[in-house]
Amino acid sequence: DAKTTQPTSMDCAEGRAANLPCNHSTISGNEYVYWYRQIHSQGPQYIIHGLKNNETNEMASLIITEDRKSSTLILPHATLRDTAVYYCIVPPYAGGTSYGKLTFGQGTILTVHP
Amino acid sequence: NAGVTQTPKFQVLKTGQSMTLQCAQDMNHEYMSWYRQDPGMGLRLIHYSVGAGITDQGEVPNGYNVSRSTTEDFPLRLLSAAPSQTSVYFCASRHRGHNSPLHFGNGTRLTVT
Repeated sequence: DAKTTQPTSMDCAEGRAANLPCNHSTISGNEYVYWYRQIHSQGPQYIIHGLKNNETNEMASLIITEDRKSSTLILPHATLRDTAVYYCIVPPYAGGTSYGKLTFGQGTILTVHP
Repeated sequence: NAGVTQTPKFQVLKTGQSMTLQCAQDMNHEYMSWYRQDPGMGLRLIHYSVGAGITDQGEVPNGYNVSRSTTEDFPLRLLSAAPSQTSVYFCASRHRGHNSPLHFGNGTRLTVT
């Protein structure tokens, strides 16, 4: 499966946009990019996903580069409640059951400051 | 829909004891999986299933057994608990398609003494 690389930690001021990068240079043409976040010790929460085009929902925006080798999750107006670990994952697109081997990296610890 | 339900929420075991962590989903998801998360660490995949009767190993399968007799349930069994299995366990599910996000349960916090 495509390996993802994220910065270990980032800071953001409350009310500002938080831009979280992710590199996935080995992504294949049919593989989606997914973003999740985990607040404290709760279960991870789905945020957004995309294939080629930029995506937006009520939580965030996802910008995927034209070559699809990297993406950026944007939280337009970060709040203190957005402090969490953010995971970027690329589920494998392969035959058999291997598509199910969804692994998470260390993610990015985003701290939103007052 | 209740989503993904995990029971129990908390459990304390003694070394050598066995137990089963329960996971159920009511979204008719084909795919289910178990992760463990140690303090300050990321999620590690234990086992997963792409449908009833089909299971496969993840990154850290040793010490755990799974089975998938129904679409709804995916129990995780610890045959002989060890202190190294102290962790928070998360169950997740999604539809089979690639355009389908994972839904997570709230976790089971297990302590093995």
